[in-house]
Amino acid sequence: DIQMTQSPSSLSAYVGDRVTITCRASQSITSYLNWYQQRPGKAPSLLIYIASNLQSGVSSRFSGSGSGTDFTLTISGLQPEDFATYYCLQTYSTPYTFGQGTKLEI
Amino acid sequence: QVTLRESGPALVKSTETLRLTCTFSGFSLPTKWMRVAWLRQPPGKTLEWLARLDWDGDRHYSTSLETRLSISKDPFTNQVVLTMTNMDPVDTAIYYCARMRADRSGNRFYFDFWGQGILVTVSS
Repeated sequence: DIQMTQSPSSLSAYVGDRVTITCRASQSITSYLNWYQQRPGKAPSLLIYIASNLQSGVSSRFSGSGSGTDFTLTISGLQPEDFATYYCLQTYSTPYTFGQGTKLEI
Repeated sequence: QVTLRESGPALVKSTETLRLTCTFSGFSLPTKWMRVAWLRQPPGKTLEWLARLDWDGDRHYSTSLETRLSISKDPFTNQVVLTMTNMDPVDTAIYYCARMRADRSGNRFYFDFWGQGILVTVSS
């Protein structure tokens, strides 16, 4: 199974800040990396697919980059609604695996 | 508009079999490159992928759970059913179904729409 190591596990920031979350795969997954946002009590919501593609309807403050084993989610100009938990997910091969999550707090 | 909704029991007992139904709309599973999957999330923990059913009937399962899982589609409705045998309290989680689709290349897949989830508690 491919292991996904996500860091940091938690992050404190202010409205207006720029933050970066990283995800590292235990082997190359080319560009098969997706990012999700999950608010408390809600299902995950797709932000970025295939490493760098912004899902329709998602704010351009979110961006993704990387390939191979190292990937990054960047959120620019943090807004109050961005404080949530973020997960990376590899869909390169089954079993699909998630990172442990990053809780973004004020 | 794509929607998915999970249904099933909120409480099961140890050793029982869980049967969950995912009712979806806004897309057709036989459409090429479409897939429906089940995932779960124990309270306070990360997500775990369980099973996948493809447009051509192909099935894939979690390595650690494949002996307990079965995924199928009702041939007459837009419903995908997941059964999990021999339930245990560690299986307590929110269970989600999600649509998986391909990008323009047709080779790279991702989950784009999710159901709201259903909390299943397993009592001992």
